[in-house]
Amino acid sequence: ETGVTQSPTHLIKTRGQQVTLRCSSQSGHNTVSWYQQALGQGPQFIFQYYREEENGRGNFPPRFSGLQFPNYSSELNVNALELDDSALYLCASSERQSMNTEAFFGQGTRLTVV
Amino acid sequence: QKEVEQNSGPLSVPEGAIASLNCTYSDRGSQSFFWYRQYSGKSPELIMSIYSNGDKEDGRFTAQLNKASQYVSLLIRDSQPSDSATYLCASQIQGAQKLVFGQGTRLTINP
Repeated sequence: ETGVTQSPTHLIKTRGQQVTLRCSSQSGHNTVSWYQQALGQGPQFIFQYYREEENGRGNFPPRFSGLQFPNYSSELNVNALELDDSALYLCASSERQSMNTEAFFGQGTRLTVV
Repeated sequence: QKEVEQNSGPLSVPEGAIASLNCTYSDRGSQSFFWYRQYSGKSPELIMSIYSNGDKEDGRFTAQLNKASQYVSLLIRDSQPSDSATYLCASQIQGAQKLVFGQGTRLTINP
């Protein structure tokens, strides 16, 4: 157990809908990163939040957005869902340092878009 | 060229043998390297981190880093059936926010 919790664990949405995924970071961690993992692939970086601001973004369109709250928890929002958005969405919690930061993942949210 | 490359496997190893997992990376700015284990249907679990050239041992696991060759490896000694999983290699550029993952190597330990 990493202490990082995500909700919900599974979700089925219809194409065109919007979805919000939630993440609570590990105690003492102030940074949250979101990743998308398609079947058979490694996780792909979506973005990171630190001090309630986006702090780096991967190659994902603007319909992927997020928030971080004062307690360091975070949300990932995806608008206008597409079939290709079906994936495991992972939240990783870390303590921001100048070097050598280890990231710990939550159990993930399995999103299916139909 | 992918930033982090791994042989997707499957890699089959008999129980009790040494499993050797390999990873190469293309960005010479990468400073930190991580091995995650991912069981089917589960999320990645951090098992090793390595930042300096050489070997780092933790129990049955040894991570090896060669920055000149841009090569990272993970050795699992006395392999157990419970080690059967996908192993993900990840790199991080110093000061960067993201981890860059390979596609993972599927390891099967045969009893």
